[in-house]
Amino acid sequence: SQKIEQNSEALNIQEGKTATLTCNYTNYSPAYLQWYRQDPGRGPVFLLLIRENEKEKRKERLKVTFDTTLKQSLFHITASQPADSATYLCALVSDAGKSTFGDGTTLTVKP
Amino acid sequence: SQTIHQWPATLVQPVGSPLSLECTVEGTSNPNLYWYRQAAGRGLQLLFYSVGIGQISSEVPQNLSASRPQDRQFILSSKKLLLSDSGFYLCAWLDRGSVDTQYFGPGTRLTVL
Repeated sequence: SQKIEQNSEALNIQEGKTATLTCNYTNYSPAYLQWYRQDPGRGPVFLLLIRENEKEKRKERLKVTFDTTLKQSLFHITASQPADSATYLCALVSDAGKSTFGDGTTLTVKP
Repeated sequence: SQTIHQWPATLVQPVGSPLSLECTVEGTSNPNLYWYRQAAGRGLQLLFYSVGIGQISSEVPQNLSASRPQDRQFILSSKKLLLSDSGFYLCAWLDRGSVDTQYFGPGTRLTVL
């Protein structure tokens, strides 16, 4: 069966450092992969999308990589800030547009 | 611009009671619509999705049902709630012309006692 694993439930880092979150998947061939941010009690908000034929995507302080051989995506936040503290979800999307979400990693950036 | 509404925001219901959660989208037409459930500390579980009026696909056998009576309205229902139905319910829409991004509503926190 399809399985998505995000590296850890919680990640604590110091302000200014780079946060790196991992999303691994098995038994899946996604058309593309998305990263979302979710704050407590709120719906997820889309951050970045990367397609299967792309290696890297950037948006301001965010960077996503996608390795279809390793079946892994890495999500980086550079120069992290306390406001970046949230839960980050990865989602694999099939050709039919159906999304499968990971359980998320909760990031805490300490000042 | 597009907006998505869900109500109620919070709901406490006894076991065995019925449920109706509503989701409406504004500013777009013919969207794909989705219902997800999220347990505490977990990711999103896809419950239902719809590609058009009256077209519902169920992803997980359960105590719930969904309907799409209008293009931009998606309803999640149950005839008799179970304790295990508690959770955070999220509606989302996707522009069928651009399958890149799902936009989520604010969610409904359901507690079944």
